[in-house]
Amino acid sequence: GAVVSQHPSRVICKSGTSVKIECRSLDFQATTMFWYRQFPKQSLMLMATSNEGSKATYEQGVEKDKFLINHASLTLSTLTVTSAHPEDSSFYICSARRTGMPQHFGDGTRLSIL
Amino acid sequence: GQQLNQSPQSMFIQEGEDVSMNCTSSSIFNTWLWYKQEPGEGPVLLIALYKAGELTSNGRLTAQFGITRKDSFLNISASIPSDVGIYFCAGYDTNKLIFGTGTLLAVQP
Repeated sequence: GAVVSQHPSRVICKSGTSVKIECRSLDFQATTMFWYRQFPKQSLMLMATSNEGSKATYEQGVEKDKFLINHASLTLSTLTVTSAHPEDSSFYICSARRTGMPQHFGDGTRLSIL
Repeated sequence: GQQLNQSPQSMFIQEGEDVSMNCTSSSIFNTWLWYKQEPGEGPVLLIALYKAGELTSNGRLTAQFGITRKDSFLNISASIPSDVGIYFCAGYDTNKLIFGTGTLLAVQP
């Protein structure tokens, strides 16, 4: 069964709206959580890495004020896309990892900004 | 940063055929992972490789960690329609998991 739960699975909203995506590790405490973005027919691109209780580390080119990440506990991380615009439409995928173990991924969130 | 290149980019095969796909890196990785992604879903871990030269199987899947630590292959034997999807190799760059370019597999019944 799924070990990482991501919610919602799909969001359609108007331009200018802020959208929050949740990522939960279901049966383990994740030392690190990761957020990826995937455009159609492309690979997963890492956006940011977050450790519980500390600020996220963003990859080059990813705006930290645009993509707010909160990692409040060892089982929950959230990604908020602030003031979303059509170019933010994408498939966002989170993953969680415990030290020494491979990463497990959520089922992704399809974000569509009209 | 490190790049992982996969080949072939896509494969269209008949059910029952064996499949082989490859992943190469510009630099050394200490861990290789193979994931499968189906449309609208997140990647699912298939096989994890931790030692150079390691050969690991998971049912009809077999993967090997290259001796140079710069490459890995994944074989699928006796393919079935549900093998359809995109297969990604991935490796850790310090604490970050970097994905390959992907191999799209289509299996015709």
